[in-house]
Amino acid sequence: AQKITQTQPGMFVQEKEAVTLDCTYDTSDPSYGLFWYKQPSSGEMIFLIYQGSYDQQNATEGRYSLNFQKARKSANLVISASQLGDSAMYFCAMRGMNTGFQKLVFGTGTRLLVSP
Amino acid sequence: DVKVTQSSRYLVKRTGEKVFLECVQDMDHENMFWYRQDPGLGLRLIYFSYDVKMKEKGDIPEGYSVSREKKERFSLILESASTNQTSMYLCASSFGSAANTGELFFGEGSRLTVL
Repeated sequence: AQKITQTQPGMFVQEKEAVTLDCTYDTSDPSYGLFWYKQPSSGEMIFLIYQGSYDQQNATEGRYSLNFQKARKSANLVISASQLGDSAMYFCAMRGMNTGFQKLVFGTGTRLLVSP
Repeated sequence: DVKVTQSSRYLVKRTGEKVFLECVQDMDHENMFWYRQDPGLGLRLIYFSYDVKMKEKGDIPEGYSVSREKKERFSLILESASTNQTSMYLCASSFGSAANTGELFFGEGSRLTVL
């Protein structure tokens, strides 16, 4: 079975600072993918970034980067230079390539508040 | 742009009513999913479908059924709504190719209140 753990229910950061949102995972699948999604108060889920388990380099997408530490089974999201619009719920998710077909398993989420 | 459309953003129903939540995607995706989102519990998979007329149970299928008669449409059915089914329901779709990352594209969600 696959499991995602997000231990931070809420995080606060000041505008323009960097913030790290934690995510650990558990899977027996040798090949898997890790995702981060953002959910603003409007409710839609926005895909941010993807990391494959065999990718050699950490994924980056603009101000988002994924700090992938395979041995520790962690996939933390780093947001650099936070903006007020970054205030939202953030969900970590994973997909096993060999098991569980193509469904994603999600964590419980972290609510990020960015203050001026 | 990929678009996943859920028929209702907000619904209020009474206990025992039959409820239909409709979802349509326009990107010819093979896979479609219904998740339920509750505070502190994240997103939990109810049902998914990888082809027309095919369906698989997710982690919390009890009290729900689904229908996929056409590739673009995936319906979630609550046969007899109960108050513990008050929640946000999210529909999603994705490509079926194993070569794809499996990114899900979500609808805007349907917030259901059962009185």
